[in-house]
Amino acid sequence: GAVVSQHPSRVICKSGTSVKIECRSLDFQATTMFWYRQFPKQSLMLMATSNEGSKATYEQGVEKDKFLINHASLTLSTLTVTSAHPEDSSFYICSARQGARNTEAFFGQGTRLTVV
Amino acid sequence: AQTVTQSQPEMSVQEAETVTLSCTYDTSESDYYLFWYKQPPSRQMILVIRQEAYKQQNATENRFSVNFQKAAKSFSLKISDSQLGDAAMYFCAYRSDRGADGLTFGKGTHLIIQP
Repeated sequence: GAVVSQHPSRVICKSGTSVKIECRSLDFQATTMFWYRQFPKQSLMLMATSNEGSKATYEQGVEKDKFLINHASLTLSTLTVTSAHPEDSSFYICSARQGARNTEAFFGQGTRLTVV
Repeated sequence: AQTVTQSQPEMSVQEAETVTLSCTYDTSESDYYLFWYKQPPSRQMILVIRQEAYKQQNATENRFSVNFQKAAKSFSLKISDSQLGDAAMYFCAYRSDRGADGLTFGKGTHLIIQP
């Protein structure tokens, strides 16, 4: 159990276009979802936290108008990179948690975004 | 803000031997959680072990154990009987119990297993 699926696993888009990444909890209801960004050979950086039905909370330095997060249901959160630029190219990973803070959050397999 | 430091960018160990990965953190909080995650080449994040700060007993999971020193803010991971499948990036992570949600990660240690 506790499977989190991200789609797509890889995406290439042109500069100026928008791209949407989906994060689904397949066998549990995710009350809280997290979006991370990982640069090559670097650590994961938390971008934002979202609770179902509420606006996402963005970390300092993350542009909320550029990285739109929607958590409209208990099994789906989406990250939309708007007006993508080459510097947005990165590995994006989501994680999802069912309950309170002391419960485990499970990670999706990540999405490799390349902006050309 | 909390910070997590992993001072070993890369470690190498012979198969079947034991290796210890270091992690220190900085926080003013008293209640928090600490984690070790494994990231193999597939990039899938896998939870290896977790420790609640209020527990004095060190967590263990089969061949994996931690040495949690709360006063020193140290949280090292020991891997016993290393196996080829243990080769991966290992990230130490911190999560507050009351403050900001989400994980704060260290920069990672690349673990190489020598056959």
